[in-house]
Amino acid sequence: DAKTTQPPSMDCAEGRAANLPCNHSTISGNEYVYWYRQIHSQGPQYIIHGLKNNETNEMASLIITEDRKSSTLILPHATLRDTAVYYCIVRVASGGGADGLTFGKGTHLIIQP
Amino acid sequence: GAVVSQHPSWVICKSGTSVKIECRSLDFQATTMFWYRQFPKQSLMLMATSNEGSKATYEQGVEKDKFLINHASLTLSTLTVTSAHPEDSSFYICSLPGQGRLGAFFGQGTRLTVV
Repeated sequence: DAKTTQPPSMDCAEGRAANLPCNHSTISGNEYVYWYRQIHSQGPQYIIHGLKNNETNEMASLIITEDRKSSTLILPHATLRDTAVYYCIVRVASGGGADGLTFGKGTHLIIQP
Repeated sequence: GAVVSQHPSWVICKSGTSVKIECRSLDFQATTMFWYRQFPKQSLMLMATSNEGSKATYEQGVEKDKFLINHASLTLSTLTVTSAHPEDSSFYICSLPGQGRLGAFFGQGTRLTVV
């Protein structure tokens, strides 16, 4: 799996958009960008993933640059409950029974009231 | 709703005893499950891959005789920490691999404290 680089921490004001960057300059053509988050003392939670097109779901938006070497996760209206560690993971999409995930250090997003 | 149920959510045990952690798949038949460990202020580290009906595969540095994994059915995998010591105190998390191109599903985690 390609390596990713994320800032260790970020602050964001409640109600504002939180933009979390991720660099993955060695990404391969068949690798997807996945985002997970882990709220304190809980298991990680899947957020969103994409290959090359921008994606949006009820939780977030994912913007992937044209060269696919970086991406940004956007939480449009951050709330205090969005305070968590956010992990960007690059890997080939799994169809079940694939390898476990390799987690980096992630970004600790702190939403300020 | 929850896809993966992990039990117990926390446990305190005495040094030298064994602790069993259960991971249940609620919605999918899982031939494979994963077990992770997370020490305070660190990221998740994959410990082992649990394979239904066969032996688990362990990551380098993880003692298979200490961390016994049983995956006897398509909905249940168990991790037993044998002869636990204080250094085994950690947050243990199981997961199911992604279904299709969905992301992986994780259990709620088990906080193990060995005293």
